Amino acid sequence: KAGVTQTPRYLIKTRGQQVTLSCSPISGHRSVSWYQQTPGQGLQFLFEYFSETQRNKGNFPGRFSGRQFSNSRSEMNVSTLELGDSALYLCASSLDGRPDNSPLHFGNGTRLTVT
Amino acid sequence: EDQVTQSPEALRLQEGESSSLNCSYTVSGLRGLFWYRQDPGKGPEFLFTLYSAGEEKEKERLKATLTKKESFLHITAPKPEDSATYLCAVQALGNNNDMRFGAGTRLTVKP
Repeated sequence: KAGVTQTPRYLIKTRGQQVTLSCSPISGHRSVSWYQQTPGQGLQFLFEYFSETQRNKGNFPGRFSGRQFSNSRSEMNVSTLELGDSALYLCASSLDGRPDNSPLHFGNGTRLTVT
Repeated sequence: EDQVTQSPEALRLQEGESSSLNCSYTVSGLRGLFWYRQDPGKGPEFLFTLYSAGEEKEKERLKATLTKKESFLHITAPKPEDSATYLCAVQALGNNNDMRFGAGTRLTVKP
């Protein structure tokens, strides 16, 4: 069974630009969550989508947005990039988005560097 | 506010030297506590879910235990391939399904 696939693996962008990251979940998984990982803050929850609807959102500015398609694939967009947005962005999929019921399976992330 | 604190930040062991990693948590009602392993350049890999105090789970050389305030990940006779960052996370009761992660413990096992 194929795992969670994130593309691209690496991105270098300039301040002020925008970026779109992609995530293909495990087949049959309907929930996709996004996390930001930095050395200083660790893993922080961005948002979760289930059946094309955003169910939960973390404490991030509106520059961070996402969407989910009917095939459960998800994209995350960051507009007006800032230097502090440099991080590893991780996508995780699960059957129902409830970690206590169905474990989250993470992809290997997209490493975003903002210069 | 929910908090997760892991200790130590880093741990170096000799192969075969057993030890424990600690995860202390403060949460307004625990729905689940999770352990993940993360290798450099990769995403976290799920290890265990614990639900209530007194629960234990095992997988190969790893055993996770849970009390009302903390969880331990015991590593018995570790091997170099156990070297990784171990992450602990909690999910609180309520409508949100997000997990709050600790900063992790970076484990190095020397041959």
